[in-house]
Amino acid sequence: KAGVTQTPRYLIKTRGQQVTLSCSPISGHRSVSWYQQTPGQGLQFLFEYFSETQRNKGNFPGRFSGRQFSNSRSEMNVSTLELGDSALYLCASSTNSATNEKLFFGSGTQLSVL
Amino acid sequence: QKEVEQNSGPLSVPEGAIASLNCTYSDRGSQSFFWYRQYSGKSPELIMSIYSNGDKEDGRFTAQLNKASQYVSLLIRDSQPSDSATYLCAVRGNTGGFKTIFGAGTRLFVKA
Repeated sequence: KAGVTQTPRYLIKTRGQQVTLSCSPISGHRSVSWYQQTPGQGLQFLFEYFSETQRNKGNFPGRFSGRQFSNSRSEMNVSTLELGDSALYLCASSTNSATNEKLFFGSGTQLSVL
Repeated sequence: QKEVEQNSGPLSVPEGAIASLNCTYSDRGSQSFFWYRQYSGKSPELIMSIYSNGDKEDGRFTAQLNKASQYVSLLIRDSQPSDSATYLCAVRGNTGGFKTIFGAGTRLFVKA
């Protein structure tokens, strides 16, 4: 069974630009979560989606948005990029169990904002 | 107060020793508890999950949960150099909607 696929693997952008990251979950998984990882802050929760609905959102500005499609694939968008948005963005998929959500992570997208 | 707190370490133990990793959480409504391992340059991978008070053993790993104290721990017996990694405690609850929150992680070094 294929794992979680994130594209692109690396991105270099400049301040003020916007970026879209993509995540394809494990086949059969209906929930997708997004995290931002930086050396100083660790894994910070961005969003969780299930069946095209956002179940929860972390404490990030409105520049960070996401969505999930009917095939469970998910995208996240960051507009008006800032230097501080440079981070590894990790996507994780899980089954449709609300409480016992074991997360399976993709390899991440490394975003550098210059 | 952070939602999930861990000692950042590094924690250094000799090969063959027991490594003890600890985690506390703030949301009393939390329902599920996990330990993930992250090697440098890699993504986190799940190693243990625990849902009820007490101990849960899986090979060399034992997870312990005490909901009254809001405390989760991970014991690694017979530590090996290959166990050297960052260990992330994660807690899932339904406050304000379902989400899984991670601690900042504890770096573990196992010396050969």
